[in-house]
Amino acid sequence: AQSVTQLDSQVPVFEEAPVELRCNYSSSVSVYLFWYVQYPNQGLQLLLKYLSGSTLVKGINGFEAEFNKSQTSFHLRKPSVHISDTAEYFCAVNLYNFNKFYFGSGTKLNVKP
Amino acid sequence: DAGITQSPRHKVTETGTPVTLRCHQTENHRYMYWYRQDPGHGLRLIHYSYGVKDTDKGEVSDGYSVSRSKTEDFLLTLESATSSQTSVYFCAISEPTVNTEAFFGQGTRLTVV
Repeated sequence: AQSVTQLDSQVPVFEEAPVELRCNYSSSVSVYLFWYVQYPNQGLQLLLKYLSGSTLVKGINGFEAEFNKSQTSFHLRKPSVHISDTAEYFCAVNLYNFNKFYFGSGTKLNVKP
Repeated sequence: DAGITQSPRHKVTETGTPVTLRCHQTENHRYMYWYRQDPGHGLRLIHYSYGVKDTDKGEVSDGYSVSRSKTEDFLLTLESATSSQTSVYFCAISEPTVNTEAFFGQGTRLTVV
């Protein structure tokens, strides 16, 4: 069985402050890991992905994430957020050889001026 | 943006009526997915397809059926809509021989009254 847990449903933060959105997963098979962003009334856009290799991956809009195999985590970070980063963020896994995507429950990032 | 079109974008229907949502892609991707998005639950997989006429159930398939008679079209049918099926429905596509991520449509907001 597989599951994706996003530990915070909402994260309020002031503009220019750093932020970390947490994601833990469990799976009986190897996975690829993703972070997606959803702006209001839109579909999901890929922020970044981890397939293999370096555990620190960089994505669009200044976001990065670190894969930690021992803790089965894939936390998303940004050193300085902007108002425009206000959105909902989803962590997801794709199971090797099955090509099925499972998503966490989402974290709403609210950046305040 | 990946060529994914969902129709209709908004629909209000009455309890007990059949409803069909359409997903059309122009990317020739093999895999297509239907998800529903509900507050606090993130995205949950309803059904997916790995080729023409090849479909399988996801986590929340009860009350839904799908069909894929052409590579480009994936239909989701609610045989007899219930209020619990009020949700936002997203179609996604992927092609693992090209990339590892899923691409999403803009969503269909369905209200069952």
